[in-house]
Amino acid sequence: GAVVSQHPSWVICKSGTSVKIECRSLDFQATTMFWYRQFPKQSLMLMATSNEGSKATYEQGVEKDKFLINHASLTLSTLTVTSAHPEDSSFYICSARDRASGRAFRSTDTQYFGPGTRLTVL
Amino acid sequence: GESVGLHLPTLSVQEGDNSIINCAYSNSASDYFIWYKQESGKGPQFIIDIRSNMDKRQGQRVTVLLNKTVKHLSLQIAATQPGDSAVYFCAETGNYGQNFVFGPGTRLSVLP
Repeated sequence: GAVVSQHPSWVICKSGTSVKIECRSLDFQATTMFWYRQFPKQSLMLMATSNEGSKATYEQGVEKDKFLINHASLTLSTLTVTSAHPEDSSFYICSARDRASGRAFRSTDTQYFGPGTRLTVL
Repeated sequence: GESVGLHLPTLSVQEGDNSIINCAYSNSASDYFIWYKQESGKGPQFIIDIRSNMDKRQGQRVTVLLNKTVKHLSLQIAATQPGDSAVYFCAETGNYGQNFVFGPGTRLSVLP
């Protein structure tokens, strides 16, 4: 259980185009999903927290108009990189929190990660 | 705070030896800690977790130790195997548990 998928796994695009990345929780409901960015040989950097049915919360320094996040359902969140440039090339990883419905949030609700999406902007 | 722009430290161990990967955390209010394993080109994979009311937890071949006094977390891997080669991240809850703060990561290399 607790499987998170991402699509696509790798995308190459031209500078100036927009790219959409999907994150799905396959066997559980995720009221909260997280989007991370990871450069080579570096740790994960949280970009934003996505709550189903509400606006995403962006970390300091992350442009919300450039990285559009939509969390329209309990199993799907999307990240759209708008007007992508070569410096946006990175490994984008989502995670979802497995939270049983009907109970209060607990700090031990574990995050499960997707396999990541490699974005290369030419 | 968030890990930024750090090159990964590397731990090299002989196959069959035990590995110990260390992590220092910063938030004394953190109450939940997780170890993740990340193989090249893949997303992080959950290994083991521990709550702040515990100081030790064991899984299959892995043990996590928590020392709240010095804000230190360690992951012990018994009888390290080639398949254990990966980058290992510790994470702690911050901000009322809504998001996790990741450590810089340690690359584990298993030598034949």
